[in-house]
Amino acid sequence: DQQVKQNSPSLSVQEGRISILNCDYTNSMFDYFLWYKKYPAEGPTFLISISSIKDKNEDGRFTVFLNKSAKHLSLHIVPSQPGDSAVYFCAASSPDRGSTLGRLYFGRGTQLTVWP
Amino acid sequence: DTAVSQTPKYLVTQMGNDKSIKCEQNLGHDTMYWYKQDSKKFLKIMFSYNNKELIINETVPNRFSPKSPDKAHLNLHINSLELGDSAVYFCASSQGYDSYEQYFGPGTRLTVT
Repeated sequence: DQQVKQNSPSLSVQEGRISILNCDYTNSMFDYFLWYKKYPAEGPTFLISISSIKDKNEDGRFTVFLNKSAKHLSLHIVPSQPGDSAVYFCAASSPDRGSTLGRLYFGRGTQLTVWP
Repeated sequence: DTAVSQTPKYLVTQMGNDKSIKCEQNLGHDTMYWYKQDSKKFLKIMFSYNNKELIINETVPNRFSPKSPDKAHLNLHINSLELGDSAVYFCASSQGYDSYEQYFGPGTRLTVT
């Protein structure tokens, strides 16, 4: 029962163009969303996050958009660079501290390849 | 100057053996986690400790036992290893149990033959 879904296992983008990675979720109680980036043989590293009270958060080349009604978020990378090539995981958390304390639910990731 | 470290990075062992994976964080965080990434690439939480106290215990076989000697360390001991235990295990930490941002270790690839 995957509550966070990343339906595209891979994405290939030319350097300089925009990369758009998508994520859908099913649990309407999720109130905080994160994107993690993972290089081979390394652990995921935090990239950017957004609270459900916002619909957009920007950090340099990275912007996350949240559409709560559609239960959808996306990560935009502009401009894309070869060093962005990695697996990107979407994650979500809910405020239900009783049973989900500190619990993040992850998607299965999207492999982004940025080619020169 | 590694923030979250795990040892070993690779572990190959036979079915039925008992093995341990160690994790240490030097971030001064109060909360630590163990995740399992299976062959389908899903990252799923297994355990979480806050100040050495178990706060999340997912539905994992009781062959898996976490141990936290202090809040900077969270080790994972696995008894009677099975083929299905083959996966990458990630340790993570966060400032507190209500802190969303988690910092991950490099992972331990466990292969059971």
